[in-house]
Amino acid sequence: DTAVSQTPKYLVTQMGNDKSIKCEQNLGHDTMYWYKQDSKKFLKIMFSYNNKELIINETVPNRFSPKSPDKAHLNLHINSLELGDSAVYFCASSQADRGSPELFFGEGSRLTVL
Amino acid sequence: AQRVTQPEKLLSVFKGAPVELKCNYSYSGSPELFWYVQYSRQRLQLLLRHISRESIKGFTADLNKGETSFHLKKPFAQEEDSAMYYCALRLTNSGYSTLTFGKGTMLLVSP
Repeated sequence: DTAVSQTPKYLVTQMGNDKSIKCEQNLGHDTMYWYKQDSKKFLKIMFSYNNKELIINETVPNRFSPKSPDKAHLNLHINSLELGDSAVYFCASSQADRGSPELFFGEGSRLTVL
Repeated sequence: AQRVTQPEKLLSVFKGAPVELKCNYSYSGSPELFWYVQYSRQRLQLLLRHISRESIKGFTADLNKGETSFHLKKPFAQEEDSAMYYCALRLTNSGYSTLTFGKGTMLLVSP
């Protein structure tokens, strides 16, 4: 029944490693997002995809590569992890053609880079 | 630049006291504003949006274009209101929109 689900919920890894976070939504939405919440709880948009196409890329380092195999999935791959990448990453979805689209968020994936 | 400002990182009140979480925005177009809430160990969720002009869980927020504000208010705070509150502004670019969030205000309601 979960509308937006992310895996894994927790991820602890060493600097320099590569890791992926997966996101799936079963709401039939056409737009998906990745947000980053830092240690100060600041929530910032990273990427937005509409029908598998990248529409927003907010000056995120090239080490971050989103992939959308279909409109229900948006995965985030991170290469060469750095200490500053430690954060909670939230996936969200919405329907673009609605008048005032509500964002539905996943539970977040807490990434800790050691 | 478009942005959302929440000046208070933490707001601590006693149960039954009035609450006002401040939000100011800067936007050249017609603003569309929201309040999202994140309870402990739960996902971020929509609390209310200005176009609905509704009251949710006793909270209201009025868009004041003159003061460029969208403050969240509740006359009598409850302990279960303790959470992180984010004000958000909808930005539209080339027909696509996204939300930009303020830095959030942690509301703590003590018994």
